[in-house]
Amino acid sequence: AQKITQTQPGMFVQEKEAVTLDCTYDTSDPSYGLFWYKQPSSGEMIFLIYQGSYDQQNATEGRYSLNFQKARKSANLVISASQLGDSAMYFCAMRGSDYKLSFGAGTTVTVRA
Amino acid sequence: DADVTQTPRNRITKTGKRIMLECSQTKGHDRMYWYRQDPGLGLRLIYYSFDVKDINKGEISDGYSVSRQAQAKFSLSLESAIPNQTALYFCATSDLRNKNIQYFGAGTRLSVL
Repeated sequence: AQKITQTQPGMFVQEKEAVTLDCTYDTSDPSYGLFWYKQPSSGEMIFLIYQGSYDQQNATEGRYSLNFQKARKSANLVISASQLGDSAMYFCAMRGSDYKLSFGAGTTVTVRA
Repeated sequence: DADVTQTPRNRITKTGKRIMLECSQTKGHDRMYWYRQDPGLGLRLIYYSFDVKDINKGEISDGYSVSRQAQAKFSLSLESAIPNQTALYFCATSDLRNKNIQYFGAGTRLSVL
């Protein structure tokens, strides 16, 4: 069984600063994918970034980067230069060999001006 | 226009009523999924379909049924709605050619009174 753990229920960050959202996972699958999604207050789920378990380099997408530490089974999301529009709920998810996604409970980020 | 469209966006119904939530996509993806999200929680998989003739139960399929009418359409039915099915429902699609990244519709807010 796959399990995703996000230990930070909520975080505050100052505008223009970086923030790191923690995610640890547990799986016995040798091949898996890790994802981060953003859910603003409007409710939609927005795909942010993907990391494959065999990818040699950490994934980056604009201001988003994924700090992948395979041995520690962690896949932390780093948002650089936070903007007010980054205030949202962020979900870490993992896809195993069955191609189904398992989600963490989420972390709420509030960006302060 | 959205690539993954869910209808209706909001629905209020009464206990015991049959209700159908519809999802259509223009992304050309083979795989489609239905999730529910309860307040403050991550998403949980209800049903998924890897092609038109393939339907699989997720972790919380009791009380739900689905129909894959075409590659682009996947509907979720609640045969006899109950109050604890009040939730935000998401449809998602994915394709192996794109790392199986799941893209979500805007969600349907369902309230069962």
